[in-house]
Amino acid sequence: QKEVEQNSGPLSVPEGAIASLNCTYSDRVSQSFFWYRQYSGKSPELIMSIYSNGDKEDGRFTAQLNKASQYVSLLIRDSQPSDSATYLCAVSRGGADGLTFGKGTHLIIQP
Amino acid sequence: GAVVSQHPSWVICKSGTSVKIECRSLDFQATTMFWYRQFPKQSLMLMATSNEGSKATYEQGVEKDKFLINHASLTLSTLTVTSAHPEDSSFYICSASPGTSGRADTQYFGPGTRLTVL
Repeated sequence: QKEVEQNSGPLSVPEGAIASLNCTYSDRVSQSFFWYRQYSGKSPELIMSIYSNGDKEDGRFTAQLNKASQYVSLLIRDSQPSDSATYLCAVSRGGADGLTFGKGTHLIIQP
Repeated sequence: GAVVSQHPSWVICKSGTSVKIECRSLDFQATTMFWYRQFPKQSLMLMATSNEGSKATYEQGVEKDKFLINHASLTLSTLTVTSAHPEDSSFYICSASPGTSGRADTQYFGPGTRLTVL
């Protein structure tokens, strides 16, 4: 059974601060890891992908992966009100494998 | 780049009718397309994986005779919900993977189709 766990929140962060989102997964064979952002009533939008242990930075976003601990995180620096959304962690075994999603963390950036 | 469209964006139908949802990759060829379903307050659940020219692979618990998937070309996949019932009301979202060299499994999502069965 492939499972992806996330704290549902809501996670409230002041504008300009760092938002930290966490995710754990159960399938040790997982090779690919993704963070998606989903606004209410909309489909997910890809933010970051990460495949190797360590950090990956893209603008204000940093994804961190620790395969030994089966842990993925997303840091959002200089949080903006527009970052308020549900953040979905998704994992895949790679190739043509579908994604297994967590239930998402509802992030609220307070102006 | 990597734009995926879906049509229709929303549909209301009567119980017992069939509904077809189209998913198109607009600016790339998708070797693999995926169909997900999302119920209110829930996360996305993978329903099936389809490859162009071959039969779809369904996830456990998804009825293949009820959810017909056709992946006729590298840019088009369709999902037909046959004999829809109110419990099929959900947000159906497709995704497509370019299958380019490097990482073949990045998925780009369509805008989704909200199905309401009366």
